[in-house]
Amino acid sequence: SQQGEEDPQALSIQEGENATMNCSYKTSINNLQWYRQNSGRGLVHLILIRSNEREKHSGRLRVTLDTSKKSSSLLITASRAADTASYFCATDAFQGGKLIFGQGTELSVKP
Amino acid sequence: DADVTQTPRNRITKTGKRIMLECSQTKGHDRMYWYRQDPGLGLRLIYYSFDVKDINKGEISDGYSVSRQAQAKFSLSLESAIPNQTALYFCATSDLGHDYNEQFFGPGTRLTVL
Repeated sequence: SQQGEEDPQALSIQEGENATMNCSYKTSINNLQWYRQNSGRGLVHLILIRSNEREKHSGRLRVTLDTSKKSSSLLITASRAADTASYFCATDAFQGGKLIFGQGTELSVKP
Repeated sequence: DADVTQTPRNRITKTGKRIMLECSQTKGHDRMYWYRQDPGLGLRLIYYSFDVKDINKGEISDGYSVSRQAQAKFSLSLESAIPNQTALYFCATSDLGHDYNEQFFGPGTRLTVL
């Protein structure tokens, strides 16, 4: 079964708005990562947050982690049409280096 | 990521045929992975390898086999392809030397089994 459950499955917003995606997981983790996938292409690593961190920023990205609730959120501020993609969370759950991916959130940013 | 390449990029084959998907990397990473992606199911791990002599089954290894020919090469084989193996296949790598396992993905192989 999937470790990560993402919510919403799809999100459509206007350019300039903020986009928030959520990820829940089931077991203790070493870290949680977010990846982006443009249609039909390989995934690209965006940001990693360790289990002892609560918030992390990278450019227009903000990631939070609540280990007590086993959840994370990815916020993209001031979205652009070029942010249109699928976004996946992935957990490193102390399984010998494997990552477990969620099902993804499909983000559409309309110009 | 151009450092991780996959061949072929697209393949159409028939039920029962043997097919091999190849992955090469120039990142010098020890760890390599094969995933398949189906709509609505995210990525599922098929096999992974932490060095040339190490091969491990992932979540959905049935119907697949792999070969780690060298540190830089990791091949996935479908011995007798079936239609429900139609999917997008990704190879990925990560560096054993890091304390976290950010993965670097190839561009994918779109496989269709008729």
